[in-house]
Amino acid sequence: DIQMTQSPSSLSASVRDRVTITCRASQDISRYLNWFQQKPGKAPKLLIYAASSLQSGVPSRFSGSGSGTDFTLTISSLQPEDFATYYCQQSYAIPLTFGQGTKVDI
Amino acid sequence: EVQLVESGGGLVQPGGSLRLSCAASGITFSSYWMSWVRQAPGKGLQWVANVNPDGYDKYYVDSVKGRFTISRDNAKNSLYLQMNNLRVEDTAVYYCARFLEYTSGRYLPFYYYMDVWGKGTTVTVSS
Repeated sequence: DIQMTQSPSSLSASVRDRVTITCRASQDISRYLNWFQQKPGKAPKLLIYAASSLQSGVPSRFSGSGSGTDFTLTISSLQPEDFATYYCQQSYAIPLTFGQGTKVDI
Repeated sequence: EVQLVESGGGLVQPGGSLRLSCAASGITFSSYWMSWVRQAPGKGLQWVANVNPDGYDKYYVDSVKGRFTISRDNAKNSLYLQMNNLRVEDTAVYYCARFLEYTSGRYLPFYYYMDVWGKGTTVTVSS
């Protein structure tokens, strides 16, 4: 199975901060990497697919980059509604696997 | 509006069975792969199973193979997860999601992602 490791596991930030979350795959997954946001008690929401493509309706302050084994999710200017947990997920191979999550709070 | 609504969760004893359902609306259900993903209390996300549009190709995470069966009824726009021999560690919120295949052009690679999710249904396995 492909292991996905996110860092950090949690971070504290302020509104308007630039936030970066990294995700590392245990093997080369090309650009088969997606990012999700999840708020407490809610379903995950797709933010980024194919490593860097912004899902329709997602604000442009979210961006993704990377290929191979190392990936990054960046929030250019954190907004109050962005405090949540973020997950990366690989779709290169079955079983599909997620990172352990990164909680972004104040 | 695309909508997925799960149902069928509840409290069941270890060794018991449950059948989850996911009703789809606002999409041509029969055109898409579908997924089940779960989240144990206070834990991260875990993919459970996928099924292709005609229902014949199915994939599972190892921990549920032989116990869970994913299926669909395209006439009813519905996805199912039959869960047998349930274990305490199957306790989770179960989400259904559309599993999309995407390419930006001819001869370019396909990418795969879960773009629409239901709100989830809670399964508790406890004696």
